[in-house]
Amino acid sequence: RKEVEQDPGPFNVPEGATVAFNCTYSNSASQSFFWYRQDCRKEPKLLMSVYSSGNEDGRFTAQLNRASQYISLLIRDSKLSDSATYLCVVNTGRDDKIIFGKGTRLHILP
Amino acid sequence: EAQVTQNPRYLITVTGKKLTVTCSQNMNHEYMSWYRQDPGLGLRQIYYSMNVEVTDKGDVPEGYKVSRKEKRNFPLILESPSPNQTSLYFCASSFQSGPAGPQHFGDGTRLSIL
Repeated sequence: RKEVEQDPGPFNVPEGATVAFNCTYSNSASQSFFWYRQDCRKEPKLLMSVYSSGNEDGRFTAQLNRASQYISLLIRDSKLSDSATYLCVVNTGRDDKIIFGKGTRLHILP
Repeated sequence: EAQVTQNPRYLITVTGKKLTVTCSQNMNHEYMSWYRQDPGLGLRQIYYSMNVEVTDKGDVPEGYKVSRKEKRNFPLILESPSPNQTSLYFCASSFQSGPAGPQHFGDGTRLSIL
């Protein structure tokens, strides 16, 4: 099992729809989790940290399921500007290693 | 403005010619890291540094060197570049002393080794 795994997509979603991605991780000792957004040929930018209790920021909700070892990102009322690649990031808790998923591509269609 | 600055942004060079990509942050961050991003492989960590004079290998350190003589700077050195090091490189820094905190990325350096 890969350390951090994401569905690469692409997800083609109509504007206004709700879309959700999951990201699974293999190391049960992993400590920190993040979602980053990356636009084409640009640097990754932090979207949100993922806490055990789940967290919400406007249209975005992130959740952590430690029992099943996955994190999720939910985007409500999607906008054209949400089109990007979403990267799942895990601090494995082992030697301070940080692992990026390969990303899920999202296309919001007008 | 808080930022991570990488230079150069683009470089085309030839095999074996030593090069350095500089990275500087103005946020007094302790943790700094280098990544390379390749199609189908995602972002992979090359080296990281928890603080001045402390550096560690990431997942793909072969062919690279780093140094952390000052807190703000974390240069990436390719002593003898080869074509398989053609990639998009990102430097990142984090406030917390470890990768537990969110990272701020530079704009990236697109490197082509002929």
